Amino acid sequence: AQTVTQSQPEMSVQEAETVTLSCTYDTSESDYYLFWYKQPPSRQMILVIRQEAYKQQNATENRFSVNFQKAAKSFSLKISDSQLGDAAMYFCAYRSNPSGNTGKLIFGQGTTLQVKP
Amino acid sequence: DTEVTQTPKHLVMGMTNKKSLKCEQHMGHRAMYWYKQKAKKPPELMFVYSYEKLSINESVPSRFSPECPNSSLLNLHLHALQPEDSALYLCASSQTWDEKLFFGSGTQLSVL
Repeated sequence: AQTVTQSQPEMSVQEAETVTLSCTYDTSESDYYLFWYKQPPSRQMILVIRQEAYKQQNATENRFSVNFQKAAKSFSLKISDSQLGDAAMYFCAYRSNPSGNTGKLIFGQGTTLQVKP
Repeated sequence: DTEVTQTPKHLVMGMTNKKSLKCEQHMGHRAMYWYKQKAKKPPELMFVYSYEKLSINESVPSRFSPECPNSSLLNLHLHALQPEDSALYLCASSQTWDEKLFFGSGTQLSVL
């Protein structure tokens, strides 16, 4: 069975600084998707970034980028130029390849990010 | 329209009540999901519908009854719930099995 681990329950960053959130996962599959979701106080889950396992290039979305290390099964999220609106709970998630996929997202326990003005 | 709309936003019910949660999307997605989330915990998958047919039931108690009347609408019927069922219930949809999930803002349920 696949598992996702986020070892940092809480993190804080100064506004305009950079912060990295850690995520490791365990799987025997070779093809899968990894995601970072953001859940602000409104509690709506918002997709931040997605990475396909077969792609070596790290995904980037504006101020958000990932460091995907497939061999190490590591998938960290870097937030540059942190803004007050980035304060939220961040979940790392894993999803099997769609072939025979159940569509099930496996979430880590989450990291609460505080942004200090 | 890139929204998943959930109603109501808040619901308080007694253990003998019957209520329903509603989820709607108009993105043409053919997979729809129900998740349950306790405070400060990750969402837990409950049900998945694919092309209006139930494809996954994560061993959810029968007091939760999902329904997918059409490709745009997903309901969750609640009956004889327990206080421990109090949680945020999130609906999500996706285009196909390999696409990202779009989540609604959830229904905060309190069972008294």
